Amino acid sequence: EPEVTQTPSHQVTQMGQEVILRCVPISNHLYFYWYRQILGQKVEFLVSFYNNEISEKSEIFDDQFSVERPDGSNFTLKIRSTKLEDSAMYFCASSQPTGGNTEAFFGQGTRLTVV
Amino acid sequence: AQSVTQPDIHITVSEGASLELRCNYSYGATPYLFWYVQSPGQGLQLLLKYFSGDTLVQGIKGFEAEFKRSQSSFNLRKPSVHWSDAAEYFCAYLYKKTSYDKVIFGPGTSLSVIP
Repeated sequence: EPEVTQTPSHQVTQMGQEVILRCVPISNHLYFYWYRQILGQKVEFLVSFYNNEISEKSEIFDDQFSVERPDGSNFTLKIRSTKLEDSAMYFCASSQPTGGNTEAFFGQGTRLTVV
Repeated sequence: AQSVTQPDIHITVSEGASLELRCNYSYGATPYLFWYVQSPGQGLQLLLKYFSGDTLVQGIKGFEAEFKRSQSSFNLRKPSVHWSDAAEYFCAYLYKKTSYDKVIFGPGTSLSVIP
């Protein structure tokens, strides 16, 4: 069964450093998403991406964050200058074109620890 | 605004007992609803989903959920809980727009199982 894959599974970075989280969505999907889950809290929407541009972003997704689809298969989330409060599990998701009984498929997540 | 509520933050049940986890949503003439399970430090696993049709939905691991439009609810049930069911459970609502979908998660219910 096709799946969304995320790398790395765990990343430790120093505060102020840039970090890039990588995702390979399901191949025929056109919509891509990033979600964040701070430890012990709920999963929060960060951003959606379609046709090489952001469709919607949440208040969390400030100027420190950016997303990119650098080639035909990868979807990345970049945090320019990490803060301690960026420590969280980050989930990538993808879905087919909306309009029907579609669902978002989630990756297993990348746990980011900022020290 | 769209929202998903899970009134119970934490539930403890004895192994073999029945389980019901509550979920209420706001918004949407045609709700698309999901239940996910998350073990500690792990990703999100889809238990079941409701798009339309039969209001009683069967999922994996012996779980089922019932959609009740009149109550805006989508409660998760299991007739006999196993110790391995101890985890965090998230109800989610799929908010559809013309150019993207957005999954809105509830705050989660933590399930503990007493042997």
